[in-house]
Amino acid sequence: SQTIHQWPATLVQPVGSPLSLECTVEGTSNPNLYWYRQAAGRGLQLLFYSVGIGQISSEVPQNLSASRPQDRQFILSSKKLLLSDSGFYLCAWSLTSWGEKLFFGSGTQLSVL
Amino acid sequence: AQSVTQLDSQVPVFEEAPVELRCNYSSSVSVYLFWYVQYPNQGLQLLLKYLSGSTLVKGINGFEAEFNKSQTSFHLRKPSVHISDTAEYFCAVSVPMNTGFQKLVFGTGTRLLVSP
Repeated sequence: SQTIHQWPATLVQPVGSPLSLECTVEGTSNPNLYWYRQAAGRGLQLLFYSVGIGQISSEVPQNLSASRPQDRQFILSSKKLLLSDSGFYLCAWSLTSWGEKLFFGSGTQLSVL
Repeated sequence: AQSVTQLDSQVPVFEEAPVELRCNYSSSVSVYLFWYVQYPNQGLQLLLKYLSGSTLVKGINGFEAEFNKSQTSFHLRKPSVHISDTAEYFCAVSVPMNTGFQKLVFGTGTRLLVSP
């Protein structure tokens, strides 16, 4: 069966520090991978998606970047965190290109102080 | 642009009472609609989806939703809720992008609070 791992679960970082959140999927090949951010009262916002190794599409220009160095690995990064980067970050995967069913990780609560 | 609106940010209800969580969508094309549930400190999981066919869709945990094209709604219902249904519920619509990819656009969520 397929599983998705996301870590860390919680993270407290000072403003201006770097960020690296990692997500890996097991039990499937060539998944579509996504990073969402959930801010209070704003629902989920799609940040990045990837349909293959090295392929990244950005939905919202901002202080963050994403990379996919391996088929089932998706990394969210920042060189210098801003206060506004605080939120709950969710990684997800799907097999279809039309977003039918997403399987979500357990999320990372990021607090930038 | 396609979007979904969840008018109720919070819905309190007593255990064993019926509940309806409202979702309205805007779209000029055929839509795929979804309801996801998020338990505290967890990711989201799919409750049910409407792709085509019957407008009444049944999902997990006794939930169902009805697609109403004339009212552009996709309300979620359960005839009798349990304490364990306390969670945040998100309505979502699948939106095509210029890459040929489709993404899910989520509503702002409705927090269902079930009390004894």
